[in-house]
Amino acid sequence: DAGITQSPRHKVTETGTPVTLRCHQTENHRYMYWYRQDPGHGLRLIHYSYGVKDTDKGEVSDGYSVSRSKTEDFLLTLESATSSQTSVYFCAISVATNEETQYFGPGTRLLVL
Amino acid sequence: QQQVKQSPQSLIVQKGGISIINCAYENTAFDYFPWYQQFPGKGPALLIAIRPDVSEKKEGRFTISFNKSAKQFSLHIMDSQPGDSATYFCAASAFTGTASKLTFGTGTRLQVTL
Repeated sequence: DAGITQSPRHKVTETGTPVTLRCHQTENHRYMYWYRQDPGHGLRLIHYSYGVKDTDKGEVSDGYSVSRSKTEDFLLTLESATSSQTSVYFCAISVATNEETQYFGPGTRLLVL
Repeated sequence: QQQVKQSPQSLIVQKGGISIINCAYENTAFDYFPWYQQFPGKGPALLIAIRPDVSEKKEGRFTISFNKSAKQFSLHIMDSQPGDSATYFCAASAFTGTASKLTFGTGTRLQVTL
C-alpha cells in the first residue's frame, strides 16, 4: 500500500453537504494524486500535488478542491456534494526513484444521497 | 475523449489458458505504460510496466507486448490461474511540466474458471 492511508474508508452523506477526504503518507513522497473510479470509466484524475501548497487540476476537477499544507497530507474536498460524486476515491503517490509509477491507497467509498 | 482504449470489457478464460487484454492510445507524448491489477475492495496494484523503446517485457507469467508504430500494447497472462481473477487496467503516462500524469483504460474484468 506504499505507506498510504485514506480516511474515512466509507462515508454516507447528503446532497449539499461538504465532505473532506484525507490521504496520508509516511514516506515524504513529493507527488500525490486523487482519482475517482466509476464503472465504465476506469480511474480519472481529479487533482494532483507536486509539493507543499503546489496543486493542479486533473481531468475531472469540477466540484472538487484540494489542499496540501504539509508533505504527508493531501486533502480532497467536495464543497457541496452531489449524487454524481458518489464514487470510490483513490489517493496515489509516486516515488522519487520512478516518478512515473504511481502506487495507490485502499480507497474511500463515498455515497451521496 | 478517451485517450486510452481498452478491450475487451470482460474476459473468461479456463485455468491454464492465456488471457490477452489489449490497449490502444492516441497521444504520442505517452512514454510509460503500466498495467494495474485490482481485486474487489482494494486499490489498484502495479503489475508490470514498459517503456516504448522496448517491444516486450516479461515478468513471470505476465508479458507486455508493445507496438509503437501501431500505438498499441497488450497484456498476456500465461497459464492463467483462478487467483488471477481481477480487474486489469492499462495506463499511459506523460509528463505535463509539473508531474507525470496517468491516463487509464476503462478496465477488463478477468474471470479464470476451473
